[in-house]
Amino acid sequence: ETGVTQSPTHLIKTRGQQVTLRCSSQSGHNTVSWYQQALGQGPQFIFQYYREEENGRGNFPPRFSGLQFPNYSSELNVNALELDDSALYLCASRNREGAQNTIYFGEGSWLTVV
Amino acid sequence: EDQVTQSPEALRLQEGESSSLNCSYTVSGLRGLFWYRQDPGKGPEFLFTLYSAGEEKEKERLKATLTKKESFLHITAPKPEDSATYLCAVHGSNYQLIWGAGTKLIIKP
Repeated sequence: ETGVTQSPTHLIKTRGQQVTLRCSSQSGHNTVSWYQQALGQGPQFIFQYYREEENGRGNFPPRFSGLQFPNYSSELNVNALELDDSALYLCASRNREGAQNTIYFGEGSWLTVV
Repeated sequence: EDQVTQSPEALRLQEGESSSLNCSYTVSGLRGLFWYRQDPGKGPEFLFTLYSAGEEKEKERLKATLTKKESFLHITAPKPEDSATYLCAVHGSNYQLIWGAGTKLIIKP
């Protein structure tokens, strides 16, 4: 049990549509990161939020955006969906000021774009 | 450029046959090396964090070690339930984790 919950677990969208994925982190986890994982590959960093502000971004276009809320929840929004956006989207959280640098993952949201 | 390479890509072992997985890395200012286990269709499950060369950590049949260039995940007398993809990631001086592609481990009964 990691204390990180993602929703929905699976969804199917049509190319060009928009999607919002949600993550609920452990209380006290002030840093949340989102990753995209294609089949058979390691996770790819999308962006990170610390205390509700984006403080790091990977090689993803602006149509990937996010929000972090004061209640330790966050969102990943993807606009103008493309077929290549089909992947497992992972949310990970940690306490950046904590003694342990452990990063906990949710079970992910499977997105299929058709 | 920060980089993580895992080998082998896949490893098939008989139950009880011990082996090691490798994670080679180049990163500026290592702030931690992580091992995770991932089952199909699920999020990564945290196993270990290593911070400095010479450090070792153990959990059941798994033991992780770290040098300045690589980490090993040793699996002793594995069981079929140890079958999974094992992922390695490093946390460098910037804000993100750099991941390897993983080693898919299959343990045959």
